[in-house]
Amino acid sequence: GNSVTQMEGPVTLSEEAFLTINCTYTATGYPSLFWYVQYPGEGLQLLLKATKADDKGSNKGFEATYRKETTSFHLEKGSVQVSDSAVYFCALSRNTGGFKTIFGAGTRLFVKA
Amino acid sequence: DAGVIQSPRHEVTEMGQEVTLRCKPISGHDYLFWYRQTMMRGLELLIYFNNNVPIDDSGMPEDRFSAKMPNASFSTLKIQPSEPRDSAVYFCASSFTTDNSPLHFGNGTRLTVT
Repeated sequence: GNSVTQMEGPVTLSEEAFLTINCTYTATGYPSLFWYVQYPGEGLQLLLKATKADDKGSNKGFEATYRKETTSFHLEKGSVQVSDSAVYFCALSRNTGGFKTIFGAGTRLFVKA
Repeated sequence: DAGVIQSPRHEVTEMGQEVTLRCKPISGHDYLFWYRQTMMRGLELLIYFNNNVPIDDSGMPEDRFSAKMPNASFSTLKIQPSEPRDSAVYFCASSFTTDNSPLHFGNGTRLTVT
């Protein structure tokens, strides 16, 4: 079946450090891939998405590239800020006659000033 | 656009009581999802609707849980009777019909059952 695996957290970084959060997926066909972010006390919100192989999603300095050959969608940011502290979820969506979004377990990021 | 609206934001109740959570999806979205989030189990899909019709309720944990969507702008999740292990944050989300459409989440209802 479809599944998403992302690196366990928490990840703790200093401000301006480089961020990578790994995400791999298992799916039949060609799913759409997403990164969502959850700030304290809020629901998840879309950070970026990619809908086909080699697509790069980007938003707010974050990027992720849809790699079909490695079934990966790693999240990166060149210079994190304290305000990026949140929980990040990798997800895939596939229409199989109704559709669901499958989420990874989430990775908590702490950024220190 | 007001986004997905959930009420109440917080609910504290005693074991055995009935709890009703409410959700107003974004206008025009034809999919509605109910999720539960806990530290132990993460984000779990409970049930989802398409055009007000329940499509998959395999995530509903027990018969104590039920969900309805009487029209395109309103859904409820009911727990009767509630138990302490139901304590969690419950999220409602909505989206359009295509698989590259993202989910739009409400801010959740934090339920505490004592």
